[in-house]
Amino acid sequence: GQNIDQPTEMTATEGAIVQINCTYQTSGFNGLFWYQQHAGEAPTFLSYNVLDGLEEKGRFSSFLSRSKGYSYLLLKELQMKDSASYLCAVTDSNYQLIWGAGTKLIIKP
Amino acid sequence: ETGVTQSPTHLIKTRGQQVTLRCSSQSGHNTVSWYQQALGQGPQFIFQYYREEENGRGNFPPRFSGLQFPNYSSELNVNALELDDSALYLCASSLFEASGMSYEQYFGPGTRLTVT
Repeated sequence: GQNIDQPTEMTATEGAIVQINCTYQTSGFNGLFWYQQHAGEAPTFLSYNVLDGLEEKGRFSSFLSRSKGYSYLLLKELQMKDSASYLCAVTDSNYQLIWGAGTKLIIKP
Repeated sequence: ETGVTQSPTHLIKTRGQQVTLRCSSQSGHNTVSWYQQALGQGPQFIFQYYREEENGRGNFPPRFSGLQFPNYSSELNVNALELDDSALYLCASSLFEASGMSYEQYFGPGTRLTVT
């Protein structure tokens, strides 16, 4: 079966750094996405990794290790508006997106 | 460039009824995917349409069906509604190329369906 695992919930402090991990087991791999979803809203695209390594985009960075079936999303200089769910999704061999359940990130002042 | 739109935004139906949800894809995109998202869960893939044909289907019964039109807009139809069908239904459009390159999906605001 196909499976994507992420922690259910994480808490961090405003101004700090947080790392959200994602492990996956899918039939094939054609890229990994991270999306942000605020409560009651649609997911919005954050990052895409298809090759091993780190992709940096402002305060957000995403890392991929295909051999380990592992990715993380790193958020720096946390702001209150970063409180949201963060979804990891993998494109499988059929180019379908398989989604994790999401990690709810709570930012405290 | 217009984004992905969905209609209606909210809908209340009775068990056993039928519903049609609509989605207009982003300009330049040729693929539409539909997802069901229950509260506190990640999106669950229903199916995807590419160039008017179903291009993959998740673990949903046949009473979930869809269409894609020549302008790449799409409909999701659900027959014989059940209470468990209550969820946020998300449509996402993307560009899929024959080379297999996969691009990010852009989501519409969703339709909140409540079945009573």
